[in-house]
Parts: sequence; structure tokens; C-alpha cells
Amino acid sequence: DAKTTQPTSMDCAEGRAANLPCNHSTISGNEYVYWYRQIHSQGPQYIIHGLKNNETNEMASLIITEDRKSSTLILPHATLRDTAVYYCIVNLGSARQLTFGSGTQLTVLP
Amino acid sequence: KAGVTQTPRYLIKTRGQQVTLSCSPISGHRSVSWYQQTPGQGLQFLFEYFSETQRNKGNFPGRFSGRQFSNSRSEMNVSTLELGDSALYLCASSLGSGPGANVLTFGAGSRLTVL
Repeated sequence: DAKTTQPTSMDCAEGRAANLPCNHSTISGNEYVYWYRQIHSQGPQYIIHGLKNNETNEMASLIITEDRKSSTLILPHATLRDTAVYYCIVNLGSARQLTFGSGTQLTVLP
Repeated sequence: KAGVTQTPRYLIKTRGQQVTLSCSPISGHRSVSWYQQTPGQGLQFLFEYFSETQRNKGNFPGRFSGRQFSNSRSEMNVSTLELGDSALYLCASSLGSGPGANVLTFGAGSRLTVL
């Protein structure tokens, strides 16, 4: 699996967009980018995933660069409940095994 | 739609004992995966079951085992418990095929403390 690099921590003001970057420069052509988050003491929660195109769902948007070497998860209007550790994972779609790194601790400030 | 249910939520064991944890996946999900989370090692993959067969296994000793039943419910067992087995054990279910294989729904976890 491709290795990912994320900042250790980020702050965001409530109501503003939170942009979480992820570097995956060694990603291969058939690997997907997945984002999960884990709110303290809960199980991880799936957010979104993509292969090449930008994706949007009710939770977030995923922007993948054209060379696919990096991506950004966007929470359009962050709330206090979005405070969590966010994990960027690169994986074959059929891998059935997720490798979680250290993630980014996002703190949404009032 | 009910989520992934794990039981028990909390348990305390002593070294040398064994423990069995249970997981009921989302209805229709045929794949169940188990993960261990500790402060030092983070989230680590234990194993994955699909249609009662272990399809994938992480790098854990043989003391960690699991099984899946015909109704997709799964159990994991840890024998001869060690202090280092104290962790949050998370179960996740998925449809089990295609890109959706990695779209996991996690349970709340079973927090094991080994004394």
C-alpha cells in the first residue's frame, strides 16, 4: 500500500471550511484514496473515497490532484462535532484491509 | 438500519486468561474485520472474514483467532492474555467486494483491560 503523510494537527474555526491535506506521492494507478475519522473513544467513521475524480457526499468533498500524488478533504462548514482524528488511507479497492497511520487531529474552535 | 454491535463493551481480565469478543455486522454485510487500537501502535488490522472464511490476516501471534458464523456474526478470541493485549478491539463490517470492500462501518468497540 502507498504511504501517506498528513499533518499531525490542525485547528479550524467553527463555521469555516476545514481543509485537510494528505500526501501520497507513491500511489499506484489502481489505488483509491479513503478518508475516515475517529471521534474520541468511538470507532472510526467512513467519510469518503475516490480514485481519480473529485468526489462529494453529504459529509465532505475530496479533491485529488491530477497527478494523484496528493488530496484534500474538505469539510465545508466545520462544527464542534467535527473535532476528531482524520485518517487518509490509500489502498487497492479490493484490499479488504486498511492501514491506519497517525492521522490529523482536527480541532474545531468555537 | 442497525449498526455494528459489539459485546461486551468493557471487560477486565487477568494475565493468562482468555477472552472472547462478539460482533454482529450490519444486515447484508458479509465481511467482518477486526482491528486492535492501542495508544502506542494505533489502529492495527487483525483479520477479515467473509462467508465464514478468513480471507486476510494481520501480523499478530496465533493467540489471536477468530471465526465467522453462517449469519455473518463473528467472534474473536485471545488466549493466554498478556498485559500488552489491553486495547480497544474494533469490529467493522462491509459488503466485502469491489471498492466497497474498504468502506467499513465500525462498531463502538470492546475495551479490554488486562491486569
